[in-house]
Amino acid sequence: QTVVTQEPSFSVSPGGTVTLTCGLSSGSVSTSYYPSWYQQTPGQAPRTLFYSTNTRSSGVPDRFSASILGNKAALTITGAQADDDSDYYCVLYMGSGIWVFGGGTRLTVL
Amino acid sequence: EVHLVQSGAEVKKPGESLKISCKGSGYSFTSYWIGWVRQMPGKGLEWMGIIYPGDSDTRYSPSFKGQVTISADKSINTAYLQWSSLKASDTAMYYCARFKWEKGGWFDPWGQGTLVTASS
Repeated sequence: QTVVTQEPSFSVSPGGTVTLTCGLSSGSVSTSYYPSWYQQTPGQAPRTLFYSTNTRSSGVPDRFSASILGNKAALTITGAQADDDSDYYCVLYMGSGIWVFGGGTRLTVL
Repeated sequence: EVHLVQSGAEVKKPGESLKISCKGSGYSFTSYWIGWVRQMPGKGLEWMGIIYPGDSDTRYSPSFKGQVTISADKSINTAYLQWSSLKASDTAMYYCARFKWEKGGWFDPWGQGTLVTASS
């Protein structure tokens, strides 16, 4: 069974840039996996950031961007703020009506 | 504005049945899928399944097929997630979200979550 992989944790300084990735235990992520990204702060429901690789959801600040980098999907935060201290999850479409979440990345802004 | 409002927290004993709900408003309920996502304590998000209220077409993650039932009542714009016999391991937060199945698929927006506790 293919596993969707994310870095367990990452840290970034306020104002810094960080790129979180979303890969596969076997194979490469392409736009055909239609990656989407979600942000979740502790105790809150998730919030949608991006879908279909790089389409920004309503209200998402433009310091967030998404893309395919090499063989992974990527979420980049440019000019990180304290509010960005959250968990980030990607989802990949495996086909045949099956979607899988990655394990999530805990981003610390300090 | 699109809203999804979930039913309140539940405390049940293992072996009991349970049905939690998710009511949509602000959009055509029968034109979008509704999905369910599990989050066990201290863990990540898990994709459970989706339903299209327009015709009740339902898709389950292999991990959840046979463990839960997803249904919908389009007359009252409400989707449901139910268990016939809860296990202690079903203790988790459950989120519903509107799901757009187009060029892949994505959740947006999300309900506030329903905490289910199954404990003797």
